[in-house]
Parts: sequence; C-alpha cells; structure tokens
Amino acid sequence: NAGVTQTPKFQVLKTGQSMTLQCAQDMNHNSMYWYRQDPGMGLRLIYYSASEGTTDKGEVPNGYNVSRLNKREFSLRLESAAPSQTSVYFCASSESGTVGNQPQHFGDGTRLSIL
Amino acid sequence: GENVEQHPSTLSVQEGDSAVIKCTYSDSASNYFPWYKQELGKRPQLIIDIRSNVGEKKDQRIAVTLNKTAKHFSLHITETQPEDSAVYFCAAGGYNKLIFGAGTRLAVHP
Repeated sequence: NAGVTQTPKFQVLKTGQSMTLQCAQDMNHNSMYWYRQDPGMGLRLIYYSASEGTTDKGEVPNGYNVSRLNKREFSLRLESAAPSQTSVYFCASSESGTVGNQPQHFGDGTRLSIL
Repeated sequence: GENVEQHPSTLSVQEGDSAVIKCTYSDSASNYFPWYKQELGKRPQLIIDIRSNVGEKKDQRIAVTLNKTAKHFSLHITETQPEDSAVYFCAAGGYNKLIFGAGTRLAVHP
C-alpha cells in the first residue's frame, strides 16, 4: 500500500517551459489536493478536487492548471514556468469531500527549480 | 483573509524537557485542528488532531488543547527525545479550507 505517490521527485526547468506533476493515491480517497511549500510560509493550497470530476481554486492558483483524471489521479500543470514557481510541491488526499475537516495524507513531494 | 499564526518559529530544548507550540486562528467557523510533523526532506505526517467539540486530546507523549473562545490551540510534547526534532505545522480547517501555520522548527538536544 503506497499511499500517495508523486512523480517526478526532482525537476529543473528553464523559464517558459511547461511540465506536469503527477499524483496518484491508492487509498480510495475522494478528495485530492496540490500544495506548494516555500521557506517560512508553511503549506499553501494551489488547487483541490473534492471529488472525481470537480476541481476548485485554492489560495494560490495563478500560473497552474489541474486535471482530476480519475478517482486515483490528480495532476498539476505549469504551462509557462516562472522562477517564482520554484518550490516543493506536495500532493495530498483525504477520504471525504469536505476539504477542511478531514485528515490529509501527503506524498513525498516534488522539488522543482526554475532557472 | 483567514490566517493561522504559529509561535515560536524556532524552539530548542534539552532531551527530557517539554515543548509547547501555540497557534491562533482567525476564522471562527474553523472546527478541525490537525498537527503535522515534517522531518527534513520528508513529507508532512499527521501526528494528532482535535475537533471543536473536544477541549483536549492526548496520545502518549503528545497532547493538544483547544480554546475556541480565544481561538487558539496548542501542541504539548512531554519527555522530548532527539527523534522529535522536526518542523511542526498547525492548521485550522472548516468546510472548504485548511489553513496552515508557518511552522515551528523544534530541536531537541541530547
């Protein structure tokens, strides 16, 4: 039982390049989330999917898009990467469809550097 | 907007001492308060959580207290050990959002 799996673990991009971060969970959870973590700022929600077929903006959605491919998979896309998007990205999932009052389980993160 | 303030940002204790981390939240509708531990280079992991209908919860050496009137909650770690060294995040959640504090870096010295 792997929990939440993120790929890749590390990535270096040049400004303007695009890429997709992948996330999959095997816990049959309904809700999935994408966060970014920057030094001294905790975790900030980018986008979330309360259930299969729905997506909503979080606190810092600008410059990102998401796709809830199926119940297991939730991807994050950077269309035109900017240095300000250098961060560690975490995917998480939770059992129910209410975002704020269920335990969230995190993946190992993707360390993304944009030059 | 809603925010969660966490103090202190760094905390250094001797092994065996207690450690206390405090958080305050602004959204009175918040009803779920989890605490996460993140070791260097690792994922955040849930260590304990409390809901608004409970004032205190314990799990071995870890306890969390909640004061809804004052809108603050605290994490207490007793008999600290070197493996408790990590960054700890509090969070406050309601129906459609979970807001994290900025984190507390705890160092436990042997």
